Parts: sequence; C-alpha cells; structure tokens
Amino acid sequence: KAGVTQTPRYLIKTRGQQVTLSCSPISGHRSVSWYQQTPGQGLQFLFEYFSETQRNKGNFPGRFSGRQFSNSRSEMNVSTLELGDSALYLCASSLRQLGPSTDTQYFGPGTRLTVL
Amino acid sequence: EDQVTQSPEALRLQEGESSSLNCSYTVSGLRGLFWYRQDPGKGPEFLFTLYSAGEEKEKERLKATLTKKESFLHITAPKPEDSATYLCALISGGSYIPTFGRGTSLIVHP
Repeated sequence: KAGVTQTPRYLIKTRGQQVTLSCSPISGHRSVSWYQQTPGQGLQFLFEYFSETQRNKGNFPGRFSGRQFSNSRSEMNVSTLELGDSALYLCASSLRQLGPSTDTQYFGPGTRLTVL
Repeated sequence: EDQVTQSPEALRLQEGESSSLNCSYTVSGLRGLFWYRQDPGKGPEFLFTLYSAGEEKEKERLKATLTKKESFLHITAPKPEDSATYLCALISGGSYIPTFGRGTSLIVHP
C-alpha cells in the first residue's frame, strides 16, 4: 500500500509570494492533517480535513488555508509569505472516526519551504 | 489542556548500551498514545500505538510501555542506525488532534 505522498519536496520562495503544497493520503484514509515543524517550535498543528470539511484548526493566521478534494487529496496554501514561514510542512493521514484503533496518523516525507 | 513532556531532550549511547526514553503526560481520558521515529529532514515514521495502562508493544530492538502517567520507549542493544529523534504524541477523548512532545534526540555511537 502506498504511503502518504507530498509534492513538491522542496520549495524556495521570496517574501510576499504565495505557495501551494499538495498531499495525497493513504488509499482509504479520509482524514488529512497538516503540521508545521521548525527547530524552535517543534510540530505545530495547522488544520485537519475530513470528507472535504475542515474539522479542526490550529492557532495560525488566516494566511494559512487548505482544502480537501472528493478523492481525499488535500492542498494547503500560504499567502504573503514571511521569512518565519520557512519550515518543514508535514501532511498526515488517518482513517479517523471509526474508533481509537483508526486514530493513528501516518506522515508523508514533508515539503521543505525556504522563504528568502 | 493535554500536556506531553519528553525526557531527556538528547541522549548519547554507545552501541549495545540499552536505555529508555520517557514520555510523561497529563490528559483527560487517554484515547491513544503514539511513538514515532523521525530522521533529519524527513517525516515522522510510525512505530507504536498504545491504548491502555499496562499495554506493551515490541518491534525489533524497541519496546513501548504505558502507565497511567507515562510511557517508556526501551531500546535494547541499540545500533548506530537507531539514531534519530523519537516523538511521543497522544490523543485525548475530547479531541482527535494529537498533542506532540518536543522529542528526544538519540545518537548511538559505534
């Protein structure tokens, strides 16, 4: 079974630009979560989508947004990039809402975003 | 509010020197506790899920245990390829969103 895939793997952008990251979950997984990981803050939750609806949202500004498509693939968008947005962005998928045994999240390899 | 604290922050071992990593937590109704391994620049790799106190799971040189207040990841006779950051996370009954610890950075010297 294929794992979680993320594209692109690396991105370099300049301040003020916007970026879109893509995530394809494990087949059959309907929940997709996004995280930002930096050395200083660790793993921080951005948002979760389930069946095309945002179910949970972390404490990030509105410049960070996302969506999920009917095939469970998800995208996240960051507008007006700032230097502090440089990070590893991770996507994770899970079966979710079918009992505790389906809560486990499986992560993709991440997208390394560098903002210059 | 759920809290997860991992210790130590960093650990250096000699190859073959067994040790344990700690994950202490406070939560209202544990739904599941997870251990992940993360190599530099890569996404976390799932290791174990534990659901209730007394539960244990093993995989090769790793063994995870769970009590009502903490979880341990025991590493028996580690090898240099076990070097990585080990993350602990949990989900409580009130939320589906995992709370992650800051991780333990493990270096195993040959």
